[in-house]
Amino acid sequence: NAGVTQTPKFRVLKTGQSMTLLCAQDMNHEYMYWYRQDPGMGLRLIHYSVGEGTTAKGEVPDGYNVSRLKKQNFLLGLESAAPSQTSVYFCASSWDSGNQPQHFGDGTRLSIL
Amino acid sequence: SQQGEEDPQALSIQEGENATMNCSYKTSINNLQWYRQNSGRGLVHLILIRSNEREKHSGRLRVTLDTSKKSSSLLITASRAADTASYFCATDKQGAQKLVFGQGTRLTINP
Repeated sequence: NAGVTQTPKFRVLKTGQSMTLLCAQDMNHEYMYWYRQDPGMGLRLIHYSVGEGTTAKGEVPDGYNVSRLKKQNFLLGLESAAPSQTSVYFCASSWDSGNQPQHFGDGTRLSIL
Repeated sequence: SQQGEEDPQALSIQEGENATMNCSYKTSINNLQWYRQNSGRGLVHLILIRSNEREKHSGRLRVTLDTSKKSSSLLITASRAADTASYFCATDKQGAQKLVFGQGTRLTINP
């Protein structure tokens, strides 16, 4: 099993460009999450999903959109990238909500110039 | 806002020594989890302790939870160079469907 796979691993964008980060999990998990990790800030939740076709806002949702059309995939979109969105993005999945461990991908390192 | 706050922010010890990290949180929780993150990698789940538990062990890891003080500690015994990583606590607030992570403790084990 691959677990949680994130693509791409690295990306450099110019301000105003758009892109989509893909997260795929093969564990049949209901819950999926997108976080960003910045130095000294820990992990902050952007959006999450409690099942196929559902999405919800996290702590820092502005500037991002998400979609969960298939249970195994969770997409994070940046419509108009800004330098403040330079970060490392992590996707995670779990069987249930906070009472179960989350399984993380290895991250996407995104730089916005 | 951060629910969990780790202390210390950074810790450097000699191989073979024990390492203790602390986590404090603000609101009532269902459970608390600890994760490890190696440089350039994603987080890996270490241990989950429920609000009705006081202590839990897993190999060289010992976690305690004091709900009256809203705090938890992670003890790594007989540390190894491979334990060098950042360690995060995460809390599941009652009624929430998500975890809130602290800022982490960066642990360095010196050979």
